[in-house]
Amino acid sequence: SAVISQKPSRDICQRGTSLTIQCQVDSQVTMMFWYRQQPGQSLTLIATANQGSEATYESGFVIDKFPISRPNLTFSTLTVSNMSPEDSSIYLCSVEGTGTDTQYFGPGTRLTVL
Amino acid sequence: AQKITQTQPGMFVQEKEAVTLDCTYDTSDPSYGLFWYKQPSSGEMIFLIYQGSYDQQNATEGRYSLNFQKARKSANLVISASQLGDSAMYFCAMREGQGRYSTLTFGKGTMLLVSP
Repeated sequence: SAVISQKPSRDICQRGTSLTIQCQVDSQVTMMFWYRQQPGQSLTLIATANQGSEATYESGFVIDKFPISRPNLTFSTLTVSNMSPEDSSIYLCSVEGTGTDTQYFGPGTRLTVL
Repeated sequence: AQKITQTQPGMFVQEKEAVTLDCTYDTSDPSYGLFWYKQPSSGEMIFLIYQGSYDQQNATEGRYSLNFQKARKSANLVISASQLGDSAMYFCAMREGQGRYSTLTFGKGTMLLVSP
């Protein structure tokens, strides 16, 4: 399995500001994934982050709104830019476990935008 | 069409009883993987069990087992001897294709409540 940590665990932000979420893994991984879970909903993939290249965004998500960095094989950040109340969600990063087919998730960042 | 369908918004079970959470999937890819995750109110996603499309046996992990019926495209989660701590949201998910880095598609989830 993989041990994943996220910072912050939760935050309350004002409309129009930006928040950067950090994701740290205890082992080197090729791909990291960022998901969003809006209140009462299922998980939706935002983007896939591969070290050394631009992130690949899913339909409905753009780099200007959700810029992602992947500076090395154990770390990634997701920024939620120019926030609105509709961005209030849990944001989760995930990775594939080394030598397994399983995808593991971090504890999530619970974001509330006022 | 939805790729993952969970038809039970909520389920109730008494402690120590078994419960089955339903999941059906839709794919034309012969290679795929099916996952179940548990999400307590804290929000973290906890991996429970995995079934590959080519696996001959149903997956089991402790009190969790996956009832995999390939022809019916169903992958139901069975929790035996329910505990109060099993109360949570449960998500079924699928990964299509052989690539290990394919992404997951999630169902809408089933809320399980275990009563004493």
